[in-house]
Amino acid sequence: ETGVTQTPRHLVMGMTNKKSLKCEQHLGHNAMYWYKQSAKKPLELMFVYSLEERVENNSVPSRFSPECPNSSHLFLHLHTLQPEDSALYLCASSQVSGEPYNEQFFGPGTRLTVL
Amino acid sequence: GQNIDQPTEMTATEGAIVQINCTYQTSGFNGLFWYQQHAGEAPTFLSYNVLDGLEEKGRFSSFLSRSKGYSYLLLKELQMKDSASYLCAVADSNYQLIWGAGTKLIIKP
Repeated sequence: ETGVTQTPRHLVMGMTNKKSLKCEQHLGHNAMYWYKQSAKKPLELMFVYSLEERVENNSVPSRFSPECPNSSHLFLHLHTLQPEDSALYLCASSQVSGEPYNEQFFGPGTRLTVL
Repeated sequence: GQNIDQPTEMTATEGAIVQINCTYQTSGFNGLFWYQQHAGEAPTFLSYNVLDGLEEKGRFSSFLSRSKGYSYLLLKELQMKDSASYLCAVADSNYQLIWGAGTKLIIKP
């Protein structure tokens, strides 16, 4: 595997379900990100982890819970979601966070539908 | 507040040239990125500008004017595979990226 991978690619869940999204990066990076992408809206930064510590949490509802067990893996745990949470969830990684020229490498995303 | 503006959609003809504009108002500026995103795929890095002027990379060029809060992405010799969304993003004072909503570029034969 190369680059940034995400599983599953597609997920349909009910509002009472609990599910998790997984991201893995094979680039040796130290920072990882979760973004939400809704149609015709800007990418919304949800969480940033640098060296496995959360450094950014952009007022995301508590029904989204991130976990970063090591610098290569990032999870997003989902519970009691709302239909408006349906979106493409993108994971990204970069060499570091909070420094110039912070090129981010993205995974293909998980298309989430909440019924 | 922080704001990135770019056109929602543009149409161009194969072989032609197209310019996608991006204007920004952010708390601090530490560079501007352009990404390309094909439908159903991950965004991929195209260019980075931190100083004023034009950066050329093959068929693609990116221009920045910090005093005007303005950038454009210029695509030459358009090919059908260039049909995609083009995302403008600015690194703010904390080096976090603020994103525009993207410009969907449609290429017609």
